[in-house]
Parts: sequence; structure tokens; C-alpha cells
Amino acid sequence: AQSVSQHNHHVILSEAASLELGCNYSYGGTVNLFWYVQYPGQHLQLLLKYFSGDPLVKGIKGFEAEFIKSKFSFNLRKPSVQWSDTAEYFCAVTNSGGYQKVTFGTGTKLQVIP
Amino acid sequence: DADVTQTPRNRITKTGKRIMLECSQTKGHDRMYWYRQDPGLGLRLIYYSFDVKDINKGEISDGYSVSRQAQAKFSLSLESAIPNQTALYFCATSDNRGTNEKLFFGSGTQLSVL
Repeated sequence: AQSVSQHNHHVILSEAASLELGCNYSYGGTVNLFWYVQYPGQHLQLLLKYFSGDPLVKGIKGFEAEFIKSKFSFNLRKPSVQWSDTAEYFCAVTNSGGYQKVTFGTGTKLQVIP
Repeated sequence: DADVTQTPRNRITKTGKRIMLECSQTKGHDRMYWYRQDPGLGLRLIYYSFDVKDINKGEISDGYSVSRQAQAKFSLSLESAIPNQTALYFCATSDNRGTNEKLFFGSGTQLSVL
């Protein structure tokens, strides 16, 4: 069975600081990887996704993530965070073949201090 | 209008009561999902359906049942609610065409069981 680990549960940064949120997955086959964001009081929405090709993917609002297959990782990065990035971030994985059930990590709450 | 609509938005009920949460979508997607979100636990899959005649248990299906009344409707029932089912419930849909497994979420239903 596939699983996702997010090691940082709560991160507090000042504006303009750089961000890196860790995500590791466990699955033996080919995977599709996602980062979703949930702003306070809102539902989840897709930030970026990796299916194949360039392992460095760019998403909305200046976010990017790098798929490192050898490390089973898909860390989320942003060079300079803003107060409006305060949200909860979820890493997710699906297997590429057959039924593509999505498994989420436990989430990382990011608080950006002005 | 929202593409994925959940009703009700909030519900408070008592232990032992039967509760139904409803989800409807206008995206024309075949795949629908029910997740619950708990602090520190992320999103966990309760049930999913890949078409009208297909229902599958997720990782935490005990105490829940679902009905896929039509392609656009997927309801979640708690036959006899208990306090540890207090959570934020999300319905989601996805498109099974190609490899696009992006999930589209509803706004959520906050359920409190007293």
C-alpha cells in the first residue's frame, strides 16, 4: 500500500524567508505526486503536480517541487514566502496504473509572520 | 456556482443519530471520493467510487456507508453517529480520462457529534 510522510507538522517563518517542506512516499511502482494547499477556512486546491518528465515542477504562486526518485521524495520549495502563504500544505501520491486512489500526507501548517 | 457542492456545511448531532452528508458535482467526472480531515492526521479516505456501479472502501470505512445515486451524486451516511466521527468531511471528484488525477474538492461539512 502506498503511504506519504510529511515530517514537519508546523512551520513558522518570517516574510521573505525561504521555505522547504519535506514529503516522502512509500510505493514500489510508478507514482504521480501532488501538493495541495488549504488556506484558512477553505477547501483544498492543487498547488502543483508531477506525472513524468522534468523532475522539477513549478506551480502557482512561485512554488516549486523536486521529485527525487532515489530518495522517494517530493519536497516543496519557495524562495521567499509571503504572509498570504499561511496555510496548510498536503503532499499526496497516486499510483500511475490501474485504480488511481489518492493518498494524502498528514499535512504541514505554515504560519508566515509579517 | 461551485462545481462540487456539499450539504450541509455544518451539522451538530447527538450520539446514535443517523446522519447523511450529500455531495453533488457539475464537472461530469466519473470518480468521486469522501475524505475526513482531522487535526494532525491529514485527509483519510473513507469511500470512493469510480463509476455509478463501483463502490470501494477506503482506509477508514468502518461506521460509514455510501450511495452513488447517479454520476453526479455521492452521499455519505453515518448510521449511528459517535463522538469520534466529529471531523471535517470533504467530498472530491476527479477525471479518469488520461492521467489527470487532480482532485476537485467541495467546501467541506463540519460535523460535530455530541
